[in-house]
Amino acid sequence: DGGITQSPKYLFRKEGQNVTLSCEQNLNHDAMYWYRQDPGQGLRLIYYSQIVNDFQKGDIAEGYSVSREKKESFPLTVTSAQKNPTAFYLCASSIGFEQFFGPGTRLTVL
Amino acid sequence: GDSVTQMEGPVTLSEEAFLTINCTYTATGYPSLFWYVQYPGEGLQLLLKATKADDKGSNKGFEATYRKETTSFHLEKGSVQVSDSAVYFCALTMNYGGSQGNLIFGKGTKLSVKP
Repeated sequence: DGGITQSPKYLFRKEGQNVTLSCEQNLNHDAMYWYRQDPGQGLRLIYYSQIVNDFQKGDIAEGYSVSREKKESFPLTVTSAQKNPTAFYLCASSIGFEQFFGPGTRLTVL
Repeated sequence: GDSVTQMEGPVTLSEEAFLTINCTYTATGYPSLFWYVQYPGEGLQLLLKATKADDKGSNKGFEATYRKETTSFHLEKGSVQVSDSAVYFCALTMNYGGSQGNLIFGKGTKLSVKP
């Protein structure tokens, strides 16, 4: 079955540590996205990539980094510079109008 | 800039009640409009879409009509079920000569349906 996988589902880290969230898709989509979801704030775009080896900052990129070395993979690193990293992180890929979302990773920084 | 405004929740209904979740948008051009649904602990799923004025999107008993004159895309369902309990997001994307911009989301409306 084609789809988007994110791992792990729950992630706990100590303050000051960098952490990398995985996102893999086998839909053969060119475009991929990372969103952050906080209660009552909807989804905010962190980074997006329209093609391999290229990515762009979204609305809230500070404290985050990404890479796009393969079409299937778009990992997100939450760095120690991100002041409030505890949130639900969603990865998506798209073809045409429609974006397909992964199940999300809930990151808690202790 | 472009934006989406949807009614604040939570919305609590009894089973078989009529549902309306209001959504209005601000856009400089001609957007495509979407409703996404998020069940507890999961990612988002596309519920329905409309790409031009007067289009009606429909799926699983839900409907929404793209109203250019009122810049609205209200979500409706005639008879909700407990299984419809979820968070609903209205969203738009702009069309740029055949390519799409990024999705812009509303803040979401939480729906709870009681038996």
